[in-house]
Amino acid sequence: QKEVEQDPGPLSVPEGAIVSLNCTYSNSAFQYFMWYRQYSRKGPELLMYTYSSGNKEDGRFTAQVDKSSKYISLFIRDSQPSDSATYLCAMQPPGANSKLTFGKGITLSVRP
Amino acid sequence: DTGVSQDPRHKITKRGQNVTFRCDPISEHNRLYWYRQTLGQGPEFLTYFQNEAQLEKSRLLSDRFSAERPKGSFSTLEIQRTEQGDSAMYLCASSPGGGTVNQPQHFGDGTRLSIL
Repeated sequence: QKEVEQDPGPLSVPEGAIVSLNCTYSNSAFQYFMWYRQYSRKGPELLMYTYSSGNKEDGRFTAQVDKSSKYISLFIRDSQPSDSATYLCAMQPPGANSKLTFGKGITLSVRP
Repeated sequence: DTGVSQDPRHKITKRGQNVTFRCDPISEHNRLYWYRQTLGQGPEFLTYFQNEAQLEKSRLLSDRFSAERPKGSFSTLEIQRTEQGDSAMYLCASSPGGGTVNQPQHFGDGTRLSIL
């Protein structure tokens, strides 16, 4: 079993839809949780960075962490065609030197 | 803030050749990471520098791989005697240093390596 599992894709939604992307993890040491967006032939771009459990909102994006269930989510409201990309969840334990452990990524397509 | 810069963007080489990639981190970021990403997968950690010191290496980093960060600024990743399985996107990330607090890592656009 991989340390981080991400819902398989691809995912296709109409413009304006609410999108829910999810990851589960097995390593209880993970305390920092991130969502990255990756466009084709580009590097991952940091979208959300959260510590421990709770919600964090930034514009149309909301990140949710439930440590008791080892489950994290990213919600995208009023999805736009420009949101079409691969979304990667990533996690790390505390410690300045910590590497990131990523999910496989899910490809999202928002249809105009 | 010009972001993390990687060069070249794409490298095509024949099996058995040596290749070297360069990464320039965000200025004043003293932590630098290398990751590898294959098609349909998330990035996997390869190695990490704090200033010029290489502090951690993954088991993925075989003896054919070597990374340096000689002056604590840019870093190079060299692959010797390339193999088909080395075909991947090689990503560099950097983060601010100081203390023991985790900091977000910011990625470059990667070097895509294709082995013929």
